[in-house]
Amino acid sequence: KAGVTQTPRYLIKTRGQQVTLSCSPISGHRSVSWYQQTPGQGLQFLFEYFSETQRNKGNFPGRFSGRQFSNSRSEMNVSTLELGDSALYLCASSLAFGTGENIQYFGAGTRLSVL
Amino acid sequence: DAKTTQPPSMDCAEGRAANLPCNHSTISGNEYVYWYRQIHSQGPQYIIHGLKNNETNEMASLIITEDRKSSTLILPHATLRDTAVYYCIVRVAYSFTGTASKLTFGTGTRLQVTL
Repeated sequence: KAGVTQTPRYLIKTRGQQVTLSCSPISGHRSVSWYQQTPGQGLQFLFEYFSETQRNKGNFPGRFSGRQFSNSRSEMNVSTLELGDSALYLCASSLAFGTGENIQYFGAGTRLSVL
Repeated sequence: DAKTTQPPSMDCAEGRAANLPCNHSTISGNEYVYWYRQIHSQGPQYIIHGLKNNETNEMASLIITEDRKSSTLILPHATLRDTAVYYCIVRVAYSFTGTASKLTFGTGTRLQVTL
């Protein structure tokens, strides 16, 4: 069974640009969560999608957005990039939503560098 | 979610058991203890989780004290490939606001396995 797939693996952008990252969950998984990892702040929750609806949102500015498609694939978008957005962006999928019993499985991440 | 306290770093000789402690003294009765690990710059990998009872799987064992205020992750025969940052996470089983899904990562324990 294929794991969580994130594309691209690496990305270099300049300040002010926007970027879209993609995540394909494990087959059959319907919930997708996004996390940001930086050396200073560690791993932080961005948002979670289930049935094409955002269910939870972390404490990030509105420049960070996402969506989920009917096949459960998800994208996240960061507009007007800042240097501080340089990070490893991780996607995790799980079977369902709203319970701590569902194990989240992570992809390898997309490393974004903002110059 | 309850906060966790882990030692910042530990060493273990290859072939020996690695015992990673976690303190979660404010855990409530409906909160799980989860363990993930992250090998350098990869996505976090799920290891094990439990609610009250001790758990074992092919990767590790989880020992939860009777009062549930602390737990220990045991890697029975550590190898060099087990060198990673290990995260202990307390996660609510269910919430009316639907926030039970998200994982709140701390700073973890950096385990170094040596020859």
